[in-house]
Amino acid sequence: DVKVTQSSRYLVKRTGEKVFLECVQDMDHENMFWYRQDPGLGLRLIYFSYDVKMKEKGDIPEGYSVSREKKERFSLILESASTNQTSMYLCASSPTTGVADTQYFGPGTRLTVL
Amino acid sequence: AQKVTQAQTEISVVEKEDVTLDCVYETRDTTYYLFWYKQPPSGELVFLIRRNSFDEQNEISGRYSWNFQKSTSSFNFTITASQVVDSAVYFCALRGDNYGQNFVFGPGTRLSVLP
Repeated sequence: DVKVTQSSRYLVKRTGEKVFLECVQDMDHENMFWYRQDPGLGLRLIYFSYDVKMKEKGDIPEGYSVSREKKERFSLILESASTNQTSMYLCASSPTTGVADTQYFGPGTRLTVL
Repeated sequence: AQKVTQAQTEISVVEKEDVTLDCVYETRDTTYYLFWYKQPPSGELVFLIRRNSFDEQNEISGRYSWNFQKSTSSFNFTITASQVVDSAVYFCALRGDNYGQNFVFGPGTRLSVLP
């Protein structure tokens, strides 16, 4: 089974703090993704990566950056957290760049910014 | 542009009732894939099904069935004889061959199955 893990289930940070969300997958997948989930809006793509050190902006990249130094690990960085970044963050991976590929999701990190 | 609409925000049914979750999509791609995911209270999205645009056959998997109709751009999901464990948020998603790596998700439908 594909396993995608995220470093924290719940996180509380203060405005202005730098926040790191970590995601690890164990199936040698090429692609990794970061989404945020908000009520009524579904999942929105923040960034994705199709290879080590490669990244592409998604639909809502503002206020975020990412890092992929190793194939299995994809980090989401909030340089200076703000209250409007309070959300559920979901990491996903998929085997290749094929359009048919299914994405596999981690359990999510619920981030609260005070 | 691509878009997925799930008009039902929340649905409540009593156990053993049948329930259908609607999904309507928009795309200009010729080749595309549609997905359904389940998000139980634990939070992790669980993949349920993938259907490509050239395959309009309905699919049944146990109590789950899916009805794909290109003529109405719909990919509806029916749960027969619902159970309390079916309570979750269900997402419909679309991925097109001209849209890079991006999935487009609908807003989700929260299903509550009452005992």
